[in-house]
Amino acid sequence: DTEVTQTPKHLVMGMTNKKSLKCEQHMGHRAMYWYKQKAKKPPELMFVYSYEKLSINESVPSRFSPECPNSSLLNLHLHALQPEDSALYLCASRGQGTETQYFGPGTRLLVL
Amino acid sequence: GENVEQHPSTLSVQEGDSAVIKCTYSDSASNYFPWYKQELGKRPQLIIDIRSNVGEKKDQRIAVTLNKTAKHFSLHITETQPEDSAVYFCAATPSINNNDMRFGAGTRLTVKP
Repeated sequence: DTEVTQTPKHLVMGMTNKKSLKCEQHMGHRAMYWYKQKAKKPPELMFVYSYEKLSINESVPSRFSPECPNSSLLNLHLHALQPEDSALYLCASRGQGTETQYFGPGTRLLVL
Repeated sequence: GENVEQHPSTLSVQEGDSAVIKCTYSDSASNYFPWYKQELGKRPQLIIDIRSNVGEKKDQRIAVTLNKTAKHFSLHITETQPEDSAVYFCAATPSINNNDMRFGAGTRLTVKP
């Protein structure tokens, strides 16, 4: 398996809902990332997990809560989001000894 | 932290022409420079990358050049085809923390048939 996968592809949620985004890779990569991408903008780094430990948190609001239960799986838990949080959420992973990040297809999130 | 600037923001070329996209970076410690292509509604896909110990790299119609002294790098696409139409992002990664990749603002390339 040489891909990063993400579920769901699309998500619509209300401001009081709780939902989770899931990212999975089976390439043995030990660094995993969450990015947020607004329309016509580059991806913005949110969180980095290295060996299942959170190593970078780019001052993301606490309504976004990441979790890395094991080396293949990365979750992003969402609670009490705002309409401005609507965006494409991309997951990426990177192998040991390399710099290249590989992206999943993203989850397109709409907050109403 | 690293700051990456990318130009132009939009580029329109005729099929068969060449396209050049330029990026500058601020952190002299950056040593890895990937280029990603993102088609509408799709994921960013790595198309070519270059490391700071190399001045130029080529892969078929795509080439990247790096000038470490001037802290700029460029993407060159020759014999452009309509399927090259997409948004292209450059990025830079510092050697100190290779988790901290920073993107340029992107270039929307349109290749007219």
